[in-house]
Amino acid sequence: DAKTTQPNSMESNEEEPVHLPCNHSTISGTDYIHWYRQLPSQGPEYVIHGLTSNVNNRMASLAIAEDRKSSTLILHRATLRDAAVYYCILRDGGTSYGKLTFGQGTILTVHP
Amino acid sequence: SAVISQKPSRDICQRGTSLTIQCQVDSQVTMMFWYRQQPGQSLTLIATANQGSEATYESGFVIDKFPISRPNLTFSTLTVSNMSPEDSSIYLCSARTGTGSTGELFFGEGSRLTVL
Repeated sequence: DAKTTQPNSMESNEEEPVHLPCNHSTISGTDYIHWYRQLPSQGPEYVIHGLTSNVNNRMASLAIAEDRKSSTLILHRATLRDAAVYYCILRDGGTSYGKLTFGQGTILTVHP
Repeated sequence: SAVISQKPSRDICQRGTSLTIQCQVDSQVTMMFWYRQQPGQSLTLIATANQGSEATYESGFVIDKFPISRPNLTFSTLTVSNMSPEDSSIYLCSARTGTGSTGELFFGEGSRLTVL
Protein backbone atom coordinates (compact mmCIF):
# COMPACT_ATOMS: atom_id res chain seq x y z
CA ASP A 1 0.00 0.00 0.00
CA ALA A 2 1.17 3.50 -0.77
CA LYS A 3 2.21 5.42 2.31
CA THR A 4 0.85 8.66 3.71
CA THR A 5 2.61 11.18 5.94
CA GLN A 6 0.74 13.38 8.40
CA PRO A 7 1.83 15.71 11.19
CA ASN A 8 1.66 14.03 14.58
CA SER A 9 -0.51 16.73 16.08
CA MET A 10 -2.24 20.02 15.37
CA GLU A 11 -4.14 22.53 17.44
CA SER A 12 -7.03 24.80 16.65
CA ASN A 13 -9.41 27.16 18.35
CA GLU A 14 -13.12 26.55 18.38
CA GLU A 15 -15.04 28.01 15.43
CA GLU A 16 -11.89 28.53 13.40
CA PRO A 17 -11.08 26.61 10.21
CA VAL A 18 -8.66 23.72 10.40
CA HIS A 19 -6.48 22.49 7.55
CA LEU A 20 -5.10 18.99 8.08
CA PRO A 21 -2.37 18.13 5.54
CA CYS A 22 -1.44 14.73 4.13
CA ASN A 23 1.43 13.84 1.85
CA HIS A 24 1.21 10.80 -0.40
CA SER A 25 3.96 11.20 -2.96
CA THR A 26 3.84 7.53 -4.06
CA ILE A 27 0.13 7.53 -4.81
CA SER A 28 -0.88 5.48 -7.82
CA GLY A 29 -3.45 6.40 -10.42
CA THR A 30 -6.05 4.07 -8.96
CA ASP A 31 -5.67 5.11 -5.31
CA TYR A 32 -8.52 6.93 -3.67
CA ILE A 33 -7.76 9.30 -0.79
CA HIS A 34 -9.88 8.53 2.25
CA TRP A 35 -10.12 10.33 5.57
CA TYR A 36 -11.39 8.78 8.75
CA ARG A 37 -11.38 10.11 12.27
CA GLN A 38 -11.43 8.45 15.64
CA LEU A 39 -13.07 10.27 18.51
CA PRO A 40 -11.94 9.36 22.03
CA SER A 41 -13.06 5.89 23.11
CA GLN A 42 -14.82 5.22 19.81
CA GLY A 43 -14.16 3.34 16.62
CA PRO A 44 -13.10 5.28 13.54
CA GLU A 45 -15.72 6.98 11.41
CA TYR A 46 -15.70 7.94 7.76
CA VAL A 47 -15.17 11.61 6.97
CA ILE A 48 -14.69 12.01 3.24
CA HIS A 49 -12.91 10.58 0.21
CA GLY A 50 -11.87 11.67 -3.27
CA LEU A 51 -9.88 10.70 -6.33
CA THR A 52 -8.87 13.81 -8.26
CA SER A 53 -11.40 16.57 -7.73
CA ASN A 54 -12.06 18.51 -4.57
CA VAL A 55 -14.96 17.14 -2.56
CA ASN A 56 -17.38 18.62 -0.08
CA ASN A 57 -19.82 16.99 2.32
CA ARG A 58 -21.60 17.97 5.49
CA MET A 59 -18.59 17.16 7.65
CA ALA A 60 -15.65 18.56 5.73
CA SER A 61 -13.99 19.43 2.45
CA LEU A 62 -11.15 17.62 0.77
CA ALA A 63 -8.72 19.56 -1.36
CA ILE A 64 -6.53 17.41 -3.61
CA ALA A 65 -3.39 18.77 -5.23
CA GLU A 66 -3.27 18.73 -9.00
CA ASP A 67 -0.46 16.16 -9.01
CA ARG A 68 -2.33 14.18 -6.30
CA LYS A 69 0.79 13.92 -4.19
CA SER A 70 -0.83 15.73 -1.31
CA SER A 71 -4.24 16.57 0.03
CA THR A 72 -5.80 18.67 2.77
CA LEU A 73 -8.81 17.95 4.92
CA ILE A 74 -10.62 21.15 5.78
CA LEU A 75 -12.92 21.53 8.75
CA HIS A 76 -14.61 24.85 8.13
CA ARG A 77 -15.50 25.66 11.73
CA ALA A 78 -13.93 23.45 14.33
CA THR A 79 -15.98 22.46 17.33
CA LEU A 80 -14.88 20.74 20.51
CA ARG A 81 -16.45 17.56 19.16
CA ASP A 82 -13.98 17.59 16.27
CA ALA A 83 -11.13 16.79 18.64
CA ALA A 84 -9.99 13.40 17.37
CA VAL A 85 -7.27 11.50 15.56
CA TYR A 86 -7.58 12.07 11.81
CA TYR A 87 -6.31 9.40 9.45
CA CYS A 88 -5.44 9.95 5.81
CA ILE A 89 -5.54 6.61 3.98
CA LEU A 90 -4.95 5.55 0.40
CA ARG A 91 -7.26 2.87 -0.87
CA ASP A 92 -6.61 1.00 -4.08
CA GLY A 93 -9.43 1.56 -6.51
CA GLY A 94 -8.14 -1.17 -8.76
CA THR A 95 -9.53 -3.88 -6.54
CA SER A 96 -12.78 -4.39 -4.74
CA TYR A 97 -11.09 -5.75 -1.67
CA GLY A 98 -11.57 -2.54 0.24
CA LYS A 99 -9.44 -2.98 3.32
CA LEU A 100 -7.98 0.09 4.98
CA THR A 101 -4.41 0.39 6.22
CA PHE A 102 -4.18 3.00 8.96
CA GLY A 103 -1.11 5.16 9.58
CA GLN A 104 -0.42 7.08 12.77
CA GLY A 105 -2.76 9.96 11.97
CA THR A 106 -2.90 13.53 13.27
CA ILE A 107 -4.14 14.26 16.76
CA LEU A 108 -6.30 17.36 16.54
CA THR A 109 -6.79 19.38 19.71
CA VAL A 110 -9.52 22.02 19.69
CA HIS A 111 -9.35 24.78 22.29
CA PRO A 112 -12.49 26.53 23.54
CA SER B 1 -25.14 2.64 6.57
CA ALA B 2 -24.46 -0.06 9.12
CA VAL B 3 -24.50 -0.14 12.89
CA ILE B 4 -22.00 -2.50 14.46
CA SER B 5 -22.38 -3.94 17.95
CA GLN B 6 -19.57 -5.70 19.75
CA LYS B 7 -19.66 -7.84 22.85
CA PRO B 8 -18.08 -7.67 25.32
CA SER B 9 -17.27 -3.97 25.37
CA ARG B 10 -14.49 -4.67 27.85
CA ASP B 11 -13.11 -7.55 29.85
CA ILE B 12 -10.29 -8.43 32.16
CA CYS B 13 -8.77 -11.81 31.44
CA GLN B 14 -6.22 -14.09 32.99
CA ARG B 15 -3.07 -15.10 31.22
CA GLY B 16 -3.43 -18.34 29.26
CA THR B 17 -7.18 -18.10 28.78
CA SER B 18 -9.10 -17.40 25.57
CA LEU B 19 -11.85 -14.91 24.88
CA THR B 20 -14.31 -14.69 22.02
CA ILE B 21 -15.54 -11.30 20.82
CA GLN B 22 -18.79 -11.11 18.93
CA CYS B 23 -19.62 -8.64 16.19
CA GLN B 24 -23.17 -8.11 14.97
CA VAL B 25 -24.11 -5.81 12.10
CA ASP B 26 -27.64 -4.52 11.68
CA SER B 27 -27.67 -5.05 7.92
CA GLN B 28 -26.10 -7.35 5.38
CA VAL B 29 -22.58 -6.31 4.51
CA THR B 30 -20.18 -7.45 1.85
CA MET B 31 -17.02 -7.56 3.91
CA MET B 32 -16.05 -7.71 7.56
CA PHE B 33 -12.69 -7.01 9.12
CA TRP B 34 -11.03 -7.28 12.50
CA TYR B 35 -8.53 -4.70 13.73
CA ARG B 36 -6.36 -4.41 16.81
CA GLN B 37 -5.44 -1.14 18.45
CA GLN B 38 -2.72 -1.40 21.03
CA PRO B 39 -2.50 1.28 23.73
CA GLY B 40 -1.63 4.65 22.23
CA GLN B 41 -1.25 3.19 18.75
CA SER B 42 -3.07 3.22 15.45
CA LEU B 43 -5.20 0.41 14.11
CA THR B 44 -3.65 -2.73 12.68
CA LEU B 45 -5.65 -5.05 10.45
CA ILE B 46 -5.73 -8.60 11.78
CA ALA B 47 -7.78 -10.32 9.11
CA THR B 48 -10.68 -10.25 6.73
CA ALA B 49 -13.56 -12.42 7.88
CA ASN B 50 -14.86 -14.40 4.91
CA GLN B 51 -18.36 -15.77 4.97
CA GLY B 52 -18.37 -19.54 5.09
CA SER B 53 -14.64 -19.95 4.63
CA GLU B 54 -11.37 -19.38 6.42
CA ALA B 55 -10.41 -15.82 7.21
CA THR B 56 -7.63 -14.07 5.33
CA TYR B 57 -4.91 -13.06 7.79
CA GLU B 58 -2.46 -10.20 7.51
CA SER B 59 1.24 -10.66 7.99
CA GLY B 60 2.05 -11.30 11.62
CA PHE B 61 -1.31 -12.78 12.54
CA VAL B 62 -2.14 -16.48 12.49
CA ILE B 63 -5.28 -18.52 12.74
CA ASP B 64 -4.17 -20.48 15.80
CA LYS B 65 -3.87 -17.28 17.81
CA PHE B 66 -6.84 -15.38 16.34
CA PRO B 67 -9.43 -17.82 15.01
CA ILE B 68 -12.24 -16.02 13.21
CA SER B 69 -15.64 -17.19 12.13
CA ARG B 70 -18.24 -15.58 9.92
CA PRO B 71 -21.24 -17.88 9.54
CA ASN B 72 -23.45 -15.35 7.74
CA LEU B 73 -23.53 -11.85 6.25
CA THR B 74 -24.15 -10.03 9.52
CA PHE B 75 -22.16 -11.83 12.24
CA SER B 76 -18.54 -12.62 13.01
CA THR B 77 -16.46 -13.68 15.98
CA LEU B 78 -12.81 -13.19 16.86
CA THR B 79 -11.17 -15.37 19.48
CA VAL B 80 -7.98 -14.28 21.16
CA SER B 81 -6.36 -17.54 22.25
CA ASN B 82 -3.91 -18.30 25.01
CA MET B 83 -3.74 -14.66 26.00
CA SER B 84 -0.71 -12.89 27.38
CA PRO B 85 -0.39 -9.32 28.66
CA GLU B 86 0.86 -8.31 25.19
CA ASP B 87 -2.63 -9.05 23.88
CA SER B 88 -4.08 -6.22 25.96
CA SER B 89 -5.63 -4.05 23.27
CA ILE B 90 -8.83 -2.77 21.80
CA TYR B 91 -10.22 -5.11 19.17
CA LEU B 92 -12.45 -3.51 16.58
CA CYS B 93 -14.85 -5.05 14.12
CA SER B 94 -15.55 -3.23 10.90
CA ALA B 95 -17.75 -3.81 7.90
CA ARG B 96 -18.44 -2.32 4.53
CA THR B 97 -21.45 -2.28 2.32
CA GLY B 98 -21.28 -2.44 -1.43
CA THR B 99 -18.25 -3.19 -3.54
CA GLY B 100 -15.54 -1.19 -5.21
CA SER B 101 -13.09 1.18 -3.64
CA THR B 102 -15.41 3.87 -2.45
CA GLY B 103 -17.65 2.08 0.02
CA GLU B 104 -17.05 3.42 3.48
CA LEU B 105 -16.12 1.23 6.41
CA PHE B 106 -18.19 1.24 9.55
CA PHE B 107 -16.65 0.40 12.89
CA GLY B 108 -17.88 -0.90 16.18
CA GLU B 109 -16.87 0.85 19.36
CA GLY B 110 -14.38 -1.87 20.12
CA SER B 111 -13.76 -4.46 22.79
CA ARG B 112 -11.14 -3.44 25.32
CA LEU B 113 -9.26 -6.44 26.67
CA THR B 114 -6.90 -6.31 29.60
CA VAL B 115 -4.82 -9.41 30.23
CA LEU B 116 -3.32 -9.85 33.68
